[in-house]
Amino acid sequence: GAGVSQTPSNKVTEKGKYVELRCDPISGHTALYWYRQSLGQGPEFLIYFQGTGAADDSGLPNDRFFAVRPEGSVSTLKIQRTERGDSAMYLCASSPGQYNEQFFGPGTRLTVL
Amino acid sequence: AQTVTQSQPEMSVQEAETVTLSCTYDTSESDYYLFWYKQPPSRQMILVIRQEAYKQQNATENRFSVNFQKAAKSFSLKISDSQLGDAAMYFCAYRSAGANSKLTFGKGITLSVRP
Repeated sequence: GAGVSQTPSNKVTEKGKYVELRCDPISGHTALYWYRQSLGQGPEFLIYFQGTGAADDSGLPNDRFFAVRPEGSVSTLKIQRTERGDSAMYLCASSPGQYNEQFFGPGTRLTVL
Repeated sequence: AQTVTQSQPEMSVQEAETVTLSCTYDTSESDYYLFWYKQPPSRQMILVIRQEAYKQQNATENRFSVNFQKAAKSFSLKISDSQLGDAAMYFCAYRSAGANSKLTFGKGITLSVRP
């Protein structure tokens, strides 16, 4: 079956712009996670959804970052007023439930010029 | 807060040989899960092996096995009969057994396999 997909695969933007990154989880997976992976580092947790609600958003670095999952399936990570330090790989993962294995998508590489 | 440390940035192994990747972690929790993930170049992360902290027996998955030392907070991955396809970044990760299901990752280690 289809795995987790993320679009776009690459996004180049200018400092100060707004970007949206999309994650399509595996069908039926209720839990969805966003992570950010800087070059040479391990992924860092951003936010976790259980269904439509954000169960844990403690990893969002500041109020420029926001994520939604309005119908409990697709999720969008939104970054306002992008900064060069936001450049990273953004990974999405989904799982059947919060205690199950997380399946990762291929990521969106964001570059802020 | 939990932390995961992978102190070796790179390792190399000859094809068909065995290699061990190290990981230590810190936590005040008694029940948790530990994972090794593989991230091949330009490909998505996949789960290699998982260990429940309450289990004394070390997990194994074909050529992959772990050495879990709970008291020492150590969780190493052994890859036997290394193959060229094993070349990737490997991440050690921690997850609480409670309601907080986020993964905490180490910095990763780049494994190269020499033919």
